[in-house]
Amino acid sequence: EVQLLESGGGLVQPGGSLRLSCAASGFTFSTYAMSWVRQAPGKGLEWVSAISSSGDRTYYADSVKGRFTISRDNSKNTVYLQMTSLRADDTAVYLCAKSSLGDRCSSSGSCYGDYWGQGTLVTVSS
Amino acid sequence: EIVLTQSPATLSLSPGERATLSCRASQSVSSYLAWYQQKPGQAPRLLISDASNRATGIPARFSGSGSGTDFTLTISSLEPEDFAVYYCQQRTNWPPTFGGGTKVEIK
Repeated sequence: EVQLLESGGGLVQPGGSLRLSCAASGFTFSTYAMSWVRQAPGKGLEWVSAISSSGDRTYYADSVKGRFTISRDNSKNTVYLQMTSLRADDTAVYLCAKSSLGDRCSSSGSCYGDYWGQGTLVTVSS
Repeated sequence: EIVLTQSPATLSLSPGERATLSCRASQSVSSYLAWYQQKPGQAPRLLISDASNRATGIPARFSGSGSGTDFTLTISSLEPEDFAVYYCQQRTNWPPTFGGGTKVEIK
């Protein structure tokens, strides 16, 4: 059974940093692109970042470019999102998603998500 | 960035009725469009990929159609568990984008 478990969210002051983790199980993690998607309270979905199966290609939404860094450790079946210079409009539930297309979408970074975690809430407030 | 516009914003229907949801893209996305279902407090669930391919385990009452800029998700006969918010998403290029969602509510 595929499982994705996010952690690392919490309350942080504007300008602060957080590192999110997504621990994966139930599939061959090293062969799938992975993504982070966020959902502000009561709002829609925004694709934040994606990473290829090997980690050599990364993609970022303009809203987070230069502030967020996606990475992965295939030996630990975990994908990370390092978030710095956090702003109030970064407040959201952050979900990780497994690509439904293996690594075939890595050339563009644009994938579909066939399995999702339940998310971790990041609140940026003073 | 490709903008996806979903309509209507809210659809009020009764169980057993047919639901027709629309998603329009600001430019062609070919067939690179997916549909998701999301219930309160839950993660999105992939229903349809590449415009018309049902994901694993998705009931046959869900079907998708369209190409280019105009897409439709049809639920042939609403079950109680189908009342939720539905999002379309394109993957033609980076960044992937979602529509604003259609809420299917019980009339």
